[in-house]
Amino acid sequence: KAGVTQTPRYLIKTRGQQVTLSCSPISGHRSVSWYQQTPGQGLQFLFEYFSETQRNKGNFPGRFSGRQFSNSRSEMNVSTLELGDSALYLCASSLRQGRDEQFFGPGTRLTVL
Amino acid sequence: KQEVTQIPAALSVPEGENLVLNCSFTDSAIYNLQWFRQDPGKGLTSLLLIQSSQREQTSGRLNASLDKSSGRSTLYIAASQPGDSATYLCAVLGGSNYKLTFGKGTLLTVNP
Repeated sequence: KAGVTQTPRYLIKTRGQQVTLSCSPISGHRSVSWYQQTPGQGLQFLFEYFSETQRNKGNFPGRFSGRQFSNSRSEMNVSTLELGDSALYLCASSLRQGRDEQFFGPGTRLTVL
Repeated sequence: KQEVTQIPAALSVPEGENLVLNCSFTDSAIYNLQWFRQDPGKGLTSLLLIQSSQREQTSGRLNASLDKSSGRSTLYIAASQPGDSATYLCAVLGGSNYKLTFGKGTLLTVNP
C-alpha cells in the first residue's frame, strides 16, 4: 500500500511570491492534515480537511490556505511569502476525521530567500 | 491550551542499553497519544498509538505507557541499537478539537 506522497520535495522561492504544495493521502484515507516544522517552533498544526471541508484550523495567518479534492488529495497554498515561512511542511492522512492514527508524508522543504 | 514537554531534549547512550523517553502534557482531556520517530530531514514514522482508555502499547522492542490523569507518557526502548538514532516525538490528540499537539522531541544517539 503506497504511503502519503508530497510534491514537490524541495522548493526555493523569493519573498512576496506564492507557493502551492500537494499531498496525496494513503488510498482510502479521507482526512488530510498539514503541519509546519521549524527549528524554533517545532511542529505546528496548520489545518485539517475531511470530505473536502476544512474541519480544523491552527493559529496561522490567512496567507496560509488549503483545499481538498473529491479524491481526498489536498493542496496547501501560501501567498505573499515571508522569510519566516521557510520550513518543512508535512502532511498526514488518517482514515477518519482526526481521530485515527496519522501517517505522515516525507514533507516539502520550502526555502524563502 | 495544550502544551507537550519532552525530557530530555537529547540523550546519548551506548549500544545495548535500555532507555526511557518522557513526555508530559498539560490537558488530560486527550483522545489519544502517538509516538513518532523522525530521521534528519525526513517525515515522521508512527511508532505507537495509545488510545486514552489504554495504559500501554507494545511493538517489538518498544513499549509506550500512558497515565492520562497525571499527564504523562513514557517510551521504553529495549536493547538500543545504532539504527534507533533519531528524534522521537510525542503528540497528543485533543479530545474536543482533534488537533495534534507535538512536543519538541528527544534527539537520541546510540553509539556503537
